Amino acid sequence: ETGVTQSPTHLIKTRGQQVTLRCSSQSGHNTVSWYQQALGQGPQFIFQYYREEENGRGNFPPRFSGLQFPNYSSELNVNALELDDSALYLCASSLDYLIGNTIYFGEGSWLTVV
Amino acid sequence: SQQGEEDPQALSIQEGENATMNCSYKTSINNLQWYRQNSGRGLVHLILIRSNEREKHSGRLRVTLDTSKKSSSLLITASRAADTASYFCATDARETSGSRLTFGEGTQLTVNP
Repeated sequence: ETGVTQSPTHLIKTRGQQVTLRCSSQSGHNTVSWYQQALGQGPQFIFQYYREEENGRGNFPPRFSGLQFPNYSSELNVNALELDDSALYLCASSLDYLIGNTIYFGEGSWLTVV
Repeated sequence: SQQGEEDPQALSIQEGENATMNCSYKTSINNLQWYRQNSGRGLVHLILIRSNEREKHSGRLRVTLDTSKKSSSLLITASRAADTASYFCATDARETSGSRLTFGEGTQLTVNP
């Protein structure tokens, strides 16, 4: 158990719809990152939040957005879903990105876009 | 683009044998982390090695890091069927802000009973 919990675990959406994925970070962790993992590939960094501010972004379009709340939990929002958005979305938390500590992942949310 | 590249892409061994996986990367790093992923599940952290370290051990795992060659290896000794999974190396690069990890494509390890 990593202490990082994600919801929902599986969901199916239609192309063009919007989706919100949720993540509770490990207790005390102020840094949360989101990753997309397509089938058969390694995870790709979407963005990171540190103390409620976006703190780095990967090569993803603006329709991927996020939030971090005062309790450090986080949301990933994807608008105008495309078929290629079908993937495992992983949330990761760490104590403080400045320290370069271990990064712990949740079990992920499987998104299928049809 | 992926920074880490694992080698081999797939590895099949018998229970009790050792498994060695290699990882190469391109830029300077703060640290390198190895993860295991069972099919369809999340990533399980195995070990972190910092850029000023050359070798670390954790149970049956041994990780080496050669920053001059920009490469790392993961050795699993006395493998078990339960070790069957995909293994990823991930680098925390010095140039980028935050603690984003850059992953390779992974090595699929199969341990046959």
